[in-house]
This record gives sequence, C-alpha cells and structure tokens, in this order.
Amino acid sequence: AQKITQTQPGMFVQEKEAVTLDCTYDTSDQSYGLFWYKQPSSGEMIFLIYQGSYDEQNATEGRYSLNFQKARKSANLVISASQLGDSAMYFCAMKQGGSEKLVFGKGTKLTVNP
Amino acid sequence: DTAVSQTPKYLVTQMGNDKSIKCEQNLGHDTMYWYKQDSKKFLKIMFSYNNKELIINETVPNRFSPKSPDKAHLNLHINSLELGDSAVYFCASSPRLRDRGSNEQFFGPGTRLTVL
Repeated sequence: AQKITQTQPGMFVQEKEAVTLDCTYDTSDQSYGLFWYKQPSSGEMIFLIYQGSYDEQNATEGRYSLNFQKARKSANLVISASQLGDSAMYFCAMKQGGSEKLVFGKGTKLTVNP
Repeated sequence: DTAVSQTPKYLVTQMGNDKSIKCEQNLGHDTMYWYKQDSKKFLKIMFSYNNKELIINETVPNRFSPKSPDKAHLNLHINSLELGDSAVYFCASSPRLRDRGSNEQFFGPGTRLTVL
C-alpha cells in the first residue's frame, strides 16, 4: 500500500534563506510519481513540482527543487530564497504508475519570518 | 478564465439535509476527482471519474453519490448530512492518464461544508 510521511508538522525559516521540507514514501511499485502542492491560507491547492520514479535528474521549478533519493525513498522539497508569500501548508503526494489515485501526506506548515 | 470551478464556496446546513456541490472544468481534461480535507488538513480521495466512468471509489459512505453528466462536470450529492461530514471538499481534474510523466491534478478552490 502507498504511504506518504511528512514528519515536520511545522517549520520556520527566515526570509531569503533556504528551507527543506521532508517527505518519505512507501511503495512496492517501480513506476510512480511524486508531487508537491502548496496550500496558502486562502485554501487553494497549487501544484509546485513533480518527480517521476524513472527521472534521473532532480526536478527543479524556479525556486523549488526536489531532492529525490530513490534508495532512501525520500523526495524532499527545497525552497531557495524564501519569501513571505511562501508561508503556507505544503503537501507531498504520490501516485503509482497506471493509477489515478493521489495519496497525500499530512502536510507541513511553513512559516517565513521577516 | 477559471480552470476548475466549484459552487458553492461555502455551504452551511442542518444535519439530515441533502445537499449538492457542483464542479466544472474547462481544461478539456478526461479525469475528475473529489477529495475531502478534514479539520486537520488531511486530504483524502473520495471518487474519480474518467470520461464519465467511475474509476476510483474509496470507502466512502453511500450517502455520498458522485454524478458526472459529461466529462467537464462532476457533481457530489450528499444525503442525510451528518456532523462528521463538515470539511472542505475539493474537486480536481487531470489530463489523460499516462504511465510516465507528470499528470498533475488541478484543484478547484474548495467548498467549505459546515453541518450544524
């Protein structure tokens, strides 16, 4: 069965610094995808970044990068140069290949301090 | 230019009532979903439809019934509402399933349901 674990209920970071949000996953499938979503206080879910299990390079999207360590089954999100607008809940999620089911972790609440 | 829209945004109702939440996407996607986010922010999939066909049906009480009149719409009807149904319900859509490659889901703004 798929499982996503986010061990940090809350994280704090100073503006302009980098922060890493942890995510580990459990699956017996060889083909899967990992996603990160952001949920600001306004409530909408915003897709940030995707990593496929067969991708050899770590995914990057602007200030977001995914530190994918397949052997350790981890897919940590790195946000560089944090901004006040980055304060939000961040969810890691996984989808097994051939399935439409997206399984979410419990989320990490990130607070960026000025 | 809203991609995935839901109505209503807020829904307050009495226990025992029947209510519906509507979802529409204008992205041309084949697959639509309903998720429930509880008070602890945990998101869990409820249903998924692909081209009007039900493909995911998690262990959800049968008081919840999704209906997809066409592939751009997926509505959620809830009978005999209970206090525990209070949550935020998100609709989402995604393009045609691919075995590899990003197939991210685009979420609607959510419907906050409060059952009194």
